[in-house]
Amino acid sequence: GQQLNQSPQSMFIQEGEDVSMNCTSSSIFNTWLWYKQDPGEGPVLLIALYKAGELTSNGRLTAQFGITRKDSFLNISASIPSDVGIYFCAGRLSGTYKYIFGTGTRLKVLA
Amino acid sequence: DVKVTQSSRYLVKRTGEKVFLECVQDMDHENMFWYRQDPGLGLRLIYFSYDVKMKEKGDIPEGYSVSREKKERFSLILESASTNQTSMYLCASSSLYTEAFFGQGTRLTVV
Repeated sequence: GQQLNQSPQSMFIQEGEDVSMNCTSSSIFNTWLWYKQDPGEGPVLLIALYKAGELTSNGRLTAQFGITRKDSFLNISASIPSDVGIYFCAGRLSGTYKYIFGTGTRLKVLA
Repeated sequence: DVKVTQSSRYLVKRTGEKVFLECVQDMDHENMFWYRQDPGLGLRLIYFSYDVKMKEKGDIPEGYSVSREKKERFSLILESASTNQTSMYLCASSSLYTEAFFGQGTRLTVV
């Protein structure tokens, strides 16, 4: 099955630092979603993006729908220990109901 | 708030057993999905349903079947459980072209 290229795969950062991750594809998407998953739990939706160029914030999180519609970015500002987890992007192709998921970015925050 | 509820958090089943995983959503969503999540492999779509009694195979349907008799409920069936079906199973639902919401996950162990 198709998967999105998500990078980085993992990262260790110091508390208070900003974090950036991205997803890229060779296909054009109509929707981009960003999720966070804690160990043993289901993914929780963070941000949904529906228009090319759209920039949306949710607290310390900001995500952007790339102009080419083939990529998306998630930034976390001033990271805190509870930001630890796996972050997934998901994209939906035009004319389909299904989402394609990124491979995940595992974030570890050092206090 | 959207709620997607999976019937069990943890299950242990024997090889060869028939296993039912249940998922219920309370937002009148048309689409429902079953994924499995394995380390290093990300989220893989098993089946999805876009309406009652309608279903479509995902990327890895072998060994699984599904049932959607009511709009709010989507069941995943392992006809004869095998050890390679030990995994985290995630159910999700969405409206036609909007964001998907996940349940808390079912960790299935087949012994």
